Amino acid sequence: AQSVAQPEDQVNVAEGNPLTVKCTYSVSGNPYLFWYVQYPNRGLQFLLKYITGDNLVKGSYGFEAEFNKSQTSFHLKKPSALVSDSALYFCAVSPGTARNEKLTFGTGTRLTIIP
Amino acid sequence: SQTIHQWPATLVQPVGSPLSLECTVEGTSNPNLYWYRQAAGRGLQLLFYSVGIGQISSEVPQNLSASRPQDRQFILSSKKLLLSDSGFYLCAYKRARGNYTFGSGTRLTVV
Repeated sequence: AQSVAQPEDQVNVAEGNPLTVKCTYSVSGNPYLFWYVQYPNRGLQFLLKYITGDNLVKGSYGFEAEFNKSQTSFHLKKPSALVSDSALYFCAVSPGTARNEKLTFGTGTRLTIIP
Repeated sequence: SQTIHQWPATLVQPVGSPLSLECTVEGTSNPNLYWYRQAAGRGLQLLFYSVGIGQISSEVPQNLSASRPQDRQFILSSKKLLLSDSGFYLCAYKRARGNYTFGSGTRLTVV
């Protein structure tokens, strides 16, 4: 069975500092990996995904993530945090090889950027 | 263009009442459809997914059921709501391999 772990419930970062939100995964075969962001009482907004190719993926709003196969990780990063980045972030994985592929999400990490 | 509609946006229902949440997709055919629940603002749990009309897979045992009466319609139902059914419900569809789109969600409060 596939699974995602986001080990930190809460991450606090000062505005202007680099941020990292951690994610590790477990899935059979080659993974499809995703990051989504959720603002209060809103649906999920896609940030970026890794399907194949370059291990460093660049996404929306200056976010990027690096796929590390040996460590089964897909950490989300941003060089300089903004207060507007404060939100709930979800990592997700799917096996990507079956028609009934399904996204499995981590429990989420609440990111707070401190002015 | 491809869009996903989910309604209602908010719902307050008494314990023991029935539930019907609807999700429809436009601009695509034979999509994979999904229902997720988020309890207490954390953790997205996959409840049901469907790869075609009348084909429903349940991920967790629960008080809810799902149906897909039409290709682009996915309905989440309950005959009698429990307090524990409260949460934020999200519908999603898979546009292509590795490409998912989520609806805006329904916040259900069971009182």
